[in-house]
Amino acid sequence: GGIITQTPKFLIGQEGQKLTLKCQQNFNHDTMYWYRQDSGKGLRLIYYSITENDLQKGDLSEGYDASREKKSSFSLTVTSAQKNEMAVFLCASSIQGNNNQAPLFGEGTRLSVL
Amino acid sequence: QQKVQQSPESLSVPEGGMASFNCTSSDRNFQYFWWYRQHSGEGPKALMSIFSDGDKKEGRFTAHLNKASLHVSLHIRDSQPSDSALYFCAASSSGSWQLIFGSGTQLTVMP
Repeated sequence: GGIITQTPKFLIGQEGQKLTLKCQQNFNHDTMYWYRQDSGKGLRLIYYSITENDLQKGDLSEGYDASREKKSSFSLTVTSAQKNEMAVFLCASSIQGNNNQAPLFGEGTRLSVL
Repeated sequence: QQKVQQSPESLSVPEGGMASFNCTSSDRNFQYFWWYRQHSGEGPKALMSIFSDGDKKEGRFTAHLNKASLHVSLHIRDSQPSDSALYFCAASSSGSWQLIFGSGTQLTVMP
């Protein structure tokens, strides 16, 4: 079976720091996503990518960069961490153009900014 | 305004009871709907999908969709303590890769 691996699981940063989160999937899925989840709340789309080297902005893209250099990996960069920020960043993947399949999620990276 | 409004924010039911969640969309382009469940410390996992008007039943779970009113619901009968989790609805439109989530409902099933 396939898996989505997010690293690191926990990330502690300093205010103003640039932080990078990584996601790998071995489903051979075309589309990958980054979502942000604030405590006990819904998921908001930051970036998604429908194929290698493609990037599409979601509603929450400001303050973030993303990179899809390989089909299997999708990274997210917090360009300047905000003081007291706490959130979970979730990576997901799905087959391109197939609305019938729900995206599969990783376990998340938990970010705390001091 | 969020494109997918979900209610209630939280819900407590006794073991064996019925739990119900509701979502209303403000975007008539949404055609595909899913329900996800997230246990504490884990990523969300898809429970079931519904794409056509009417009911869809999978075991103890029943989803209902009414595209005319842009309303989708999920009902869990015979709720178990292991069903305690955060439940999300999610929607997408035809030809779009964006999946838009509701704000979630925290379910607690009391033994």
